[in-house]
Amino acid sequence: DAMVIQNPRYQVTQFGKPVTLSCSQTLNHNVMYWYQQKSSQAPKLLFHYYDKDFNNEADTPDNFQSRRPNTSFCFLDIRSPGLGDTAMYLCATSRDLDGYTEAFFGQGTRLTVV
Amino acid sequence: AQKVTQAQTEISVVEKEDVTLDCVYETRDTTYYLFWYKQPPSGELVFLIRRNSFDEQNEISGRYSWNFQKSTSSFNFTITASQVVDSAVYFCALINYGQNFVFGPGTRLSVLP
Repeated sequence: DAMVIQNPRYQVTQFGKPVTLSCSQTLNHNVMYWYQQKSSQAPKLLFHYYDKDFNNEADTPDNFQSRRPNTSFCFLDIRSPGLGDTAMYLCATSRDLDGYTEAFFGQGTRLTVV
Repeated sequence: AQKVTQAQTEISVVEKEDVTLDCVYETRDTTYYLFWYKQPPSGELVFLIRRNSFDEQNEISGRYSWNFQKSTSSFNFTITASQVVDSAVYFCALINYGQNFVFGPGTRLSVLP
């Protein structure tokens, strides 16, 4: 059974139209991550939550926001998507930030901005 | 600064051949963890192995084996008798305590029947 679930799997949105991607987990992990992966590139961390504490990467554009209303759910909001935001968005969880436990990834949402 | 390098962008082999994927890392920390993940066409990243910086024992799991050498900062991954189902992008990653994963650029492996 899937432990990290992302919805939708595919999303097409218009340039400038806000979009929200969803992630849920059944692992009760403390940490939830959002990664952006462009074609043929490595995943790039956008931000993570440790419980309710939000940690933004320095180079994450302001256009990207996140919410974590409870342990199980985390959302990625793109306020005004540009063509360059077309990518796979991966959600991941880990029990802690100690590095010992691996991160569990969802299947991703493929976002296309037109 | 942490960095992971996977020099091989793409590799193609014929089924049943052995193949080694290279990973070289940089970190100033003495305690760190190294990972390999597989990303099949479906998109999710599948965990394969974790190794901590104090454990240099090589590991074998079925057709998979890993060679960790601190002296050369390398953590190479070998698939023996490759199969078509092994076709995927493979990522090597590094994490230090309290920090986040740093992924290498990935190696796309194509196993041809």
